[in-house]
Amino acid sequence: DTGVSQNPRHKITKRGQNVTFRCDPISEHNRLYWYRQTLGQGPEFLTYFQNEAQLEKSRLLSDRFSAERPKGSFSTLEIQRTEQGDSAMYLCASRGQGASTEAFFGQGTRLTVV
Amino acid sequence: AQTVTQSQPEMSVQEAETVTLSCTYDTSESDYYLFWYKQPPSRQMILVIRQEAYKQQNATENRFSVNFQKAAKSFSLKISDSQLGDAAMYFCAYRSNYGQNFVFGPGTRLSVLP
Repeated sequence: DTGVSQNPRHKITKRGQNVTFRCDPISEHNRLYWYRQTLGQGPEFLTYFQNEAQLEKSRLLSDRFSAERPKGSFSTLEIQRTEQGDSAMYLCASRGQGASTEAFFGQGTRLTVV
Repeated sequence: AQTVTQSQPEMSVQEAETVTLSCTYDTSESDYYLFWYKQPPSRQMILVIRQEAYKQQNATENRFSVNFQKAAKSFSLKISDSQLGDAAMYFCAYRSNYGQNFVFGPGTRLSVLP
């Protein structure tokens, strides 16, 4: 399978706990995105990597959120001290070279904070 | 900041009929890309069709076509000969040629009636 892979698919955690999600992009893609999607809404941009460099961060990304892409391949998104408002689908997408190329999305990680 | 609006939260269409989903966007830029993504229930988002703003010709992909009106900042999606498998959330998305972020609309839920 050469698509974008996200793990885990589902995560239930207690409020205050830390969680970490992983994204494996399409191998030749150097651009990687994290989005958050709540029920019935469109995806909201969180952050963008080009290779290992985190070039853009949304104001939505509070201090409790951190993302890394250490070797320019897979990426992790960590949420510290989770809150109930963090419950959402977290989507990862990757994109190849070229201005007009689309983003390819993974199936997402659904986080439920109880 | 760019915004994308989809004024139809829900639409329905009879199988084999044609349906048009609306999208408008707000930008001061002249060079950008527009996309329609499909998100089936519990499945990942996939690209349906894309349009480069510098191209006057409307994009077409099999049963899917767009009506791109640059001056009106309108980008509607027409689905011809609708099939049961077309039932999904459809998201309109914008990306500037000067940035990396994809801006999504709130989505339109399309039901296909047999």
